[in-house]
Amino acid sequence: AQKITQTQPGMFVQEKEAVTLDCTYDTSDPSYGLFWYKQPSSGEMIFLIYQGSYDQQNATEGRYSLNFQKARKSANLVISASQLGDSAMYFCTGNSGYSTLTFGKGTMLLVSP
Amino acid sequence: DGGITQSPKYLFRKEGQNVTLSCEQNLNHDAMYWYRQDPGQGLRLIYYSQIVNDFQKGDIAEGYSVSREKKESFPLTVTSAQKNPTAFYLCASSTGLYYNEQFFGPGTRLTVL
Repeated sequence: AQKITQTQPGMFVQEKEAVTLDCTYDTSDPSYGLFWYKQPSSGEMIFLIYQGSYDQQNATEGRYSLNFQKARKSANLVISASQLGDSAMYFCTGNSGYSTLTFGKGTMLLVSP
Repeated sequence: DGGITQSPKYLFRKEGQNVTLSCEQNLNHDAMYWYRQDPGQGLRLIYYSQIVNDFQKGDIAEGYSVSREKKESFPLTVTSAQKNPTAFYLCASSTGLYYNEQFFGPGTRLTVL
């Protein structure tokens, strides 16, 4: 099974600035997928971005991009031009052909005006 | 609109009572999942199902039971054997078990008094 580690319990950023949320993973499977989800205070999990282990380029979705460094086993989420509505919990998660999703403990992001 | 519904949003029960949480999806997804989330924590997998009439235990299945009689429905029963059932419960679905984005419902917050 994968192990996902998010070392930042909380992050603080000012509106319109960029922020990077860290995620490292540990798996022995050569083929795997990494996901980031956002969880606002309402509780629902919102899918943000996906990176496959064999993808040649870093994934991007609008203001979200994934800084994927395979050798370091890291998959950091970069949010550009932060907005007040980005304040939420962010979860890194991953799976492979031999395991279901494993979630990190999350990072709480607060965006200030 | 396609999506996942969970009902009710808030649920209160007395200790020692079984309670069933509903999860319905109209996304035509084969795989469905139940997660438990405790305050300040990530999600932990309770049960998952790849196809109708088949389901597997996740990491914390003790004290829980599920059924998958229809593709659209995956109810979770929290039994009296679950020692600490108060938590936030999330249901999810995906097209396949691995490498696929999971779509989440709004969650049910269960409080056992």
